[in-house]
Amino acid sequence: DAGVIQSPRHEVTEMGQEVTLRCKPISGHNSLFWYRQTMMRGLELLIYFNNNVPIDDSGMPEDRFSAKMPNASFSTLKIQPSEPRDSAVYFCASTLRSGWSNEQFFGPGTRLTVL
Amino acid sequence: SQQGEEDPQALSIQEGENATMNCSYKTSINNLQWYRQNSGRGLVHLILIRSNEREKHSGRLRVTLDTSKKSSSLLITASRAADTASYFCATDSGNTGKLIFGQGTTLQVKP
Repeated sequence: DAGVIQSPRHEVTEMGQEVTLRCKPISGHNSLFWYRQTMMRGLELLIYFNNNVPIDDSGMPEDRFSAKMPNASFSTLKIQPSEPRDSAVYFCASTLRSGWSNEQFFGPGTRLTVL
Repeated sequence: SQQGEEDPQALSIQEGENATMNCSYKTSINNLQWYRQNSGRGLVHLILIRSNEREKHSGRLRVTLDTSKKSSSLLITASRAADTASYFCATDSGNTGKLIFGQGTTLQVKP
């Protein structure tokens, strides 16, 4: 398996533009997580899905952020409109929830810069 | 809110020395995990210790868990320059699969 795949790896955009980040989890995994990492705030959980259903989106900072998981192999995180303070590295992670272990596998991240 | 708090925030040692990082948490847990993050990369799972375990080993890694003190430690023995990275603890407190990550310890191993 190729692991968790994220695209794009880098995104530079101007304030006010729409940004869409994409994630393909590991095949067979049933939970998917979106995180944001900055120097100031560390690693923050934005939202997570179990079996494609959003379970907890309390970490989504504002209504400008939205996430979808239309099927088990694809998820998107959208920011509209983007702002400079959204600049961060966004990680997607997936896991196979089980009674014993929920080790998470992280993608390489998308480095977002909003000018 | 962050469940895990790591200390120290930064650690610098010489190659060959041991590195110890600590993690404290607030609520009861099912398991505690340690992850490593190299600069510019995603986090990589290192080791998981369940709430009924006290110590676990994996290669040069040794993890301890004290549920009475709500704390864990990660020991890296005979460190190498390639161990330079940030290390995060993460706690699993429920059945959702959700993990709560700490702020991390940045380890620098000087050759």
